[in-house]
Amino acid sequence: SQTIHQWPATLVQPVGSPLSLECTVEGTSNPNLYWYRQAAGRGLQLLFYSVGIGQISSEVPQNLSASRPQDRQFILSSKKLLLSDSGFYLCAWGTGRSEQFFGPGTRLTVL
Amino acid sequence: SQQGEEDPQALSIQEGENATMNCSYKTSINNLQWYRQNSGRGLVHLILIRSNEREKHSGRLRVTLDTSKKSSSLLITASRAADTASYFCATDYLASGNTPLVFGKGTRLSVIA
Repeated sequence: SQTIHQWPATLVQPVGSPLSLECTVEGTSNPNLYWYRQAAGRGLQLLFYSVGIGQISSEVPQNLSASRPQDRQFILSSKKLLLSDSGFYLCAWGTGRSEQFFGPGTRLTVL
Repeated sequence: SQQGEEDPQALSIQEGENATMNCSYKTSINNLQWYRQNSGRGLVHLILIRSNEREKHSGRLRVTLDTSKKSSSLLITASRAADTASYFCATDYLASGNTPLVFGKGTRLSVIA
């Protein structure tokens, strides 16, 4: 069966520090991978998606970036965090036009 | 924006009552999906309804789709306290390629025991 992992679960970082969030998927090959951000009590904002290794599509211009160094690994990064980067970050995978499967999320607080 | 909109934003009901949530969207779709999110957790897929379907059931869930009105509804029958969560609709709008889903802002459902 397929599983998706995200870490860390929670993270508190100072403004201006770098960020690296990791997402890995098991039990499937060549998945579409997604990074979302969810502000408190709000809906999901799609940040990046990837249909293959090294292929990244950015939905929202910002100080975040994403990389897919391996088929089932998706990394969200920032060189310098802003206060506005605080939120709940969710990774998801899917195939084609069917449902998406979400990881447990990372709660990021930027102070 | 292509984003779907759920209505109401928040809903509070007594255990045993039915809960109805609505979703409206703006463009033609391939399918519409409903997800559930418990507080502080990831989303869980509930049900997918294709554009050529009008109604779908899964346990206590009933989803309808009206493509002429560009709207969908999610009905949870005989609600339980454990149904307390946020519910999101997501649309797969017509386009080529691996089009990402577009999520609405969600309905927060509280079921009071």
